[in-house]
Amino acid sequence: AQSVTQLDSHVSVSEGTPVLLRCNYSSSYSPSLFWYVQHPNKGLQLLLKYTSAATLVKGINGFEAEFKKSETSFHLTKPSAHMSDAAEYFCVVSAPNDYKLSFGAGTTVTVRA
Amino acid sequence: NAGVTQTPKFRILKIGQSMTLQCTQDMNHNYMYWYRQDPGMGLKLIYYSVGAGITDKGEVPNGYNVSRSTTEDFPLRLELAAPSQTSVYFCASSYTPRDKAYNEQFFGPGTRLTVL
Repeated sequence: AQSVTQLDSHVSVSEGTPVLLRCNYSSSYSPSLFWYVQHPNKGLQLLLKYTSAATLVKGINGFEAEFKKSETSFHLTKPSAHMSDAAEYFCVVSAPNDYKLSFGAGTTVTVRA
Repeated sequence: NAGVTQTPKFRILKIGQSMTLQCTQDMNHNYMYWYRQDPGMGLKLIYYSVGAGITDKGEVPNGYNVSRSTTEDFPLRLELAAPSQTSVYFCASSYTPRDKAYNEQFFGPGTRLTVL
């Protein structure tokens, strides 16, 4: 079985400062990991994915995440926050060759001007 | 491509009423999914389909039904609406061949349903 824990339910940052969203996972297999973003009243959009290739994964809009097997973590970072980054972020895990996605509870990001 | 589209965007139902949430994708994806999202929670899978004519239950199927008569459409039916079904419903699709190692899903904009 797979599960994820997002360690922060809410993160507030100032525009131009770094963003860190923390995610720990649990999986019986070598997992696939995703970060999705949901802007207000919108559907979910894929930011990036890890599928057992490079451990440092670059995504859209300047986001990146690092897969650390020893720490069972997949934290999402961005060097400089923009006002448009204000949204809900979901860490998601699945087993290889499995249709099932297991979602974290989400982290709400607020960006202060 | 429009991607995944859902109708309606919003709906208010009375207890005991029925309705169908519509979902259409134009990406020729084989898999389609219905999720619900409750406040402060991640998405929970209601039903999924691996192709036309094939559907199966997810984590929280009670109170819902689905059908998949075409590749493009995957409607979700609520027969007797209850307040516990107040939620935001998302439809998603993916192209998932047998040998694919991961499952990237594409989501619609959601339907916000309130049952009073």
